[in-house]
Amino acid sequence: EDQVTQSPEALRLQEGESSSLNCSYTVSGLRGLFWYRQDPGKGPEFLFTLYSAGEEKEKERLKATLTKKESFLHITAPKPEDSATYLCAGHYSGAGSYQLTFGKGTKLSVIP
Amino acid sequence: GAVVSQHPSRVICKSGTSVKIECRSLDFQATTMFWYRQFPKQSLMLMATSNEGSKATYEQGVEKDKFLINHASLTLSTLTVTSAHPEDSSFYICSATAGGFSAAFFGQGTRLTVV
Repeated sequence: EDQVTQSPEALRLQEGESSSLNCSYTVSGLRGLFWYRQDPGKGPEFLFTLYSAGEEKEKERLKATLTKKESFLHITAPKPEDSATYLCAGHYSGAGSYQLTFGKGTKLSVIP
Repeated sequence: GAVVSQHPSRVICKSGTSVKIECRSLDFQATTMFWYRQFPKQSLMLMATSNEGSKATYEQGVEKDKFLINHASLTLSTLTVTSAHPEDSSFYICSATAGGFSAAFFGQGTRLTVV
């Protein structure tokens, strides 16, 4: 069974304190790795897609990287508005109709 | 990014009635749409996958007669919760993809409360 595991479950940072969120995944059959941000009571917001090891994508204070067995979401000098749950998901070949396999998420709280 | 619109965002209905939730891709053709259910403080639980013009594929344990999915066009999918009961109260979210292993974009979600 394809698996995506995120750590930590929750992370509290002071404003400006940089850190990274981890997403480890089943390697076999992975066709794409996705990061989403979800605010309470809202649907997930697409952040990044990574397709191959070594790939990096950046958007404002966020940078996503992909290695052969895990992905990191780096948050540089976070602000309170970055507080949200960050979800990692994998697209696997062989999975029915290209469905995503989600991790359980990391809840990030940025304290002013 | 692409826009997926889900409506309504919040609905309250009486037990025994049916509720329809719409999911529209506004600026791309969605060959595949997904419907999820999310419980408080938990991740997304896939309910079903629908491809335009064909019957939806339901995940194990999801009652297809209770959760009717119609993907009538490349921009619209609907989820109808039939004969709703309080235990069907939840947060329902749709997502749409242009196909293959491209990114999936999500709607805003619908908070269903059955009283």
